[in-house]
Amino acid sequence: DARVTQTPRHKVTEMGQEVTMRCQPILGHNTVFWYRQTMMQGLELLAYFRNRAPLDDSGMPKDRFSAEMPDATLATLKIQPSEPRDSAVYFCASGPVTTGDEQYFGPGTRLTVT
Amino acid sequence: ELKVEQNPLFLSMQEGKNYTIYCNYSTTSDRLYWYRQDPGKSLESLFVLLSNGAVKQEGRLMASLDTKARLSTLHITAAVHDLSATYFCAVDHPFKWTSYDKVIFGPGTSLSVIP
Repeated sequence: DARVTQTPRHKVTEMGQEVTMRCQPILGHNTVFWYRQTMMQGLELLAYFRNRAPLDDSGMPKDRFSAEMPDATLATLKIQPSEPRDSAVYFCASGPVTTGDEQYFGPGTRLTVT
Repeated sequence: ELKVEQNPLFLSMQEGKNYTIYCNYSTTSDRLYWYRQDPGKSLESLFVLLSNGAVKQEGRLMASLDTKARLSTLHITAAVHDLSATYFCAVDHPFKWTSYDKVIFGPGTSLSVIP
């Protein structure tokens, strides 16, 4: 049963520290998404990759966030420096080749910045 | 920019009752998705609706799509406690000048089914 995996599942860090979240998309999927979910803002799209190329990262604070796909099996989301307002659940999702197919979400990384 | 709205945002209903959740979107789209999220969990795909008039059913849930009205409904029949969750609709939207689509999520409807 293919699944999207994310690490770590939970992360508590102090303000100013660097945070790196990792995602392994489902093998064969060529689209990868990073979302942030908070009670106040709901589900926000941060970044969108297709065939490892970033298509849209307009939802991401550019000064502190960065997203990459060093290879087809790994996507990373990095925050440097982290701030308390970054506390949220970060989801990675992947989708198959065909546009119009649903996304498969990972379990999420719950980030707490103190 | 595509906007996706859901109505209601919060719903408390008794077991055994029927109810409908509505999803409206602001610009033309032919594809709509419904997802379910249990508290503290990830999102799980429920339905993919790919054309006008599409109807899909799974258990007590039935989803439909009217692309002309820019409206999708998620109908709940004889609700049970296990259906308590947050339900999101999401709509495909042509992304800038590319041939790719970007998926825009609605705010979610938090459903609580009480005995």
